[in-house]
Amino acid sequence: DAGVTQSPTHLIKTRGQQVTLRCSPISGHKSVSWYQQVLGQGPQFIFQYYEKEERGRGNFPDRFSARQFPNYSSELNVNALLLGDSALYLCASSPGYSYEQYFGPGTRLTVT
Amino acid sequence: AQTVTQSQPEMSVQEAETVTLSCTYDTSESNYYLFWYKQPPSRQMILVIRQEAYKQQNATENRFSVNFQKAAKSFSLKISDSQLGDTAMYFCAFSPTLTNTGNQFYFGTGTSLTVIP
Repeated sequence: DAGVTQSPTHLIKTRGQQVTLRCSPISGHKSVSWYQQVLGQGPQFIFQYYEKEERGRGNFPDRFSARQFPNYSSELNVNALLLGDSALYLCASSPGYSYEQYFGPGTRLTVT
Repeated sequence: AQTVTQSQPEMSVQEAETVTLSCTYDTSESNYYLFWYKQPPSRQMILVIRQEAYKQQNATENRFSVNFQKAAKSFSLKISDSQLGDTAMYFCAFSPTLTNTGNQFYFGTGTSLTVIP
């Protein structure tokens, strides 16, 4: 079975621009979570979606938004990019509303 | 607030030797899960081992085992017979009881482990 996939792999944006990151969960998984991992730090929770509804939100500004589609894939949007948004963005999927999380390879976002 | 602390930024171990990575956490929850994840240079986070807080028995997975001390809020990872492929960043993670606010994972800052041939 295919694991969690994320696109694109790498992305370079300029300050003030907007970016959309995409995630496809493992087949059959209904929950998707997003994490931001700044270089040298552990992942920080941004959002969790379950059955297309937001179930959790971390301490991130409103510039960050996400949604989940009927096929359970998800998009993370970041508006008005700042240099501090440069990070590895990880997506994780779960089979249900559970403790298990399976991570994708991440999208490396660089803001210049 | 939930916090996870990994006090060893970097560690090294000789191939075939044993190494222990430390993790402490702070929570007021009584039921929760603890995890160790491995992140090699390829960036993919891989689950190494999981421990349910209500279980007193320490989890083991082949060469990986944990020492879970609930009262001390300590959760260390022991890697036996270290292999070159164990070289990676290791993250300790905590997940509190599922609530209607979501299944949030809290991660430590990581320990970079290098296995020396």
